Amino acid sequence: DTGVSQDPRHKITKRGQNVTFRCDPISEHNRLYWYRQTLGQGPEFLTYFQNEAQLEKSRLLSDRFSAERPKGSFSTLEIQRTEQGDSAMYLCASSLAGAFGEQFFGPGTRLTVL
Amino acid sequence: KQEVTQIPAALSVPEGENLVLNCSFTDSAIYNLQWFRQDPGKGLTSLLLIQSSQREQTSGRLNASLDKSSGRSTLYIAASQPGDSATYLCAPQGNTDKLIFGTGTRLQVFP
Repeated sequence: DTGVSQDPRHKITKRGQNVTFRCDPISEHNRLYWYRQTLGQGPEFLTYFQNEAQLEKSRLLSDRFSAERPKGSFSTLEIQRTEQGDSAMYLCASSLAGAFGEQFFGPGTRLTVL
Repeated sequence: KQEVTQIPAALSVPEGENLVLNCSFTDSAIYNLQWFRQDPGKGLTSLLLIQSSQREQTSGRLNASLDKSSGRSTLYIAASQPGDSATYLCAPQGNTDKLIFGTGTRLQVFP
């Protein structure tokens, strides 16, 4: 399968714990995006990378959130000291740089914070 | 700030009907617009991408139109089938590259 993959698919954690999610983009794509989706809402942009560089971060991304893409391939999203409000689906997408770059999404990681 | 509205919020139709899903956005300075399908608990599947210079894009039974100046896009689904049941999301992309999503149209097609 050459699509975007995410791991894990589901994560249940207790409030206050740290969690880390991984995203592997389509291999030739140099842009990688993270979005968050809560129940009944459309996805909301969190951050994106072009190669290793993090180009934009949403105000939704508090100090407890950090994302990396160290070698310009896979990316990780870490949430420290999780809160119940962090419960959501975390979606990753990738694209080729350019004004018409179609974004392709992975299956998402469903986070539940108890 | 870009805001996206999708109408209707939900739609339930018998199999075989032709459908129109509407999307409106407040900032017409966009580079493209994507339509996605999302099944419950799953990720998003890209259906169509319309560039800002295009007025229409077709894929099988799907046709999407874009009127950038008026901030509107429509997704037309011909001869709907039960397998089309899903939530449909539109997302314009501006010069910041991120997609801005509406809350979607939840479609149910019954046999």
